[in-house]
Amino acid sequence: EAGVAQSPRYKIIEKRQSVAFWCNPISGHATLYWYQQILGQGPKLLIQFQNNGVVDDSQLPKDRFSAERLKGVDSTLKIQPAKLEDSAVYLCASGRRGKALSNEQFFGPGTRLTVL
Amino acid sequence: AQKITQTQPGMFVQEKEAVTLDCTYDTSDPSYGLFWYKQPSSGEMIFLIYQGSYDQQNATEGRYSLNFQKARKSANLVISASQLGDSAMYFCAMRLNDYKLSFGAGTTVTVRA
Repeated sequence: EAGVAQSPRYKIIEKRQSVAFWCNPISGHATLYWYQQILGQGPKLLIQFQNNGVVDDSQLPKDRFSAERLKGVDSTLKIQPAKLEDSAVYLCASGRRGKALSNEQFFGPGTRLTVL
Repeated sequence: AQKITQTQPGMFVQEKEAVTLDCTYDTSDPSYGLFWYKQPSSGEMIFLIYQGSYDQQNATEGRYSLNFQKARKSANLVISASQLGDSAMYFCAMRLNDYKLSFGAGTTVTVRA
């Protein structure tokens, strides 16, 4: 099966500009996650979707970050306006429906964002 | 709040030798899952192994095994017979019943020929 797709792979922008990232999860996966991974740290969850509904966005900086998954399939994450501290890799992951703790998350290749 | 601690920022290992990566966790919830992921320089996170809190046996997947010591709240990853392709960042992660994954800071492994 095809893996999680993300685009673009790399993006360089000036601070205060806007940027959007796209993610297409594995077919049939109901759950979609966006993570932020700052250099030298582990990924931090930004938002979790179940189908097209938000399950958890408690760590999403809502004054500048937004995310949507309108049809319950692909998703976009937007930053507007970007700050220097947003420089990071943004990882998308998807998982199967179900509440088993063992359900693994499958990760995409990530988008590396540099804010100048 | 749950917390994952990986105390080894970097490790070197000789090819064909075994290496142990430390991971300790903190939770008062009796039901949890522990994961190890590998992140090569290309950036994608690759699932390696899973251990449930109620599992009686330590998990094994090929050259990967998890040394689960529940009373000590540790879940160390053992990579046997290291290969050059094992050079990567390794993350320990925990999931509670809210189904979020919380990651540690990671350990960089460099395999020497």
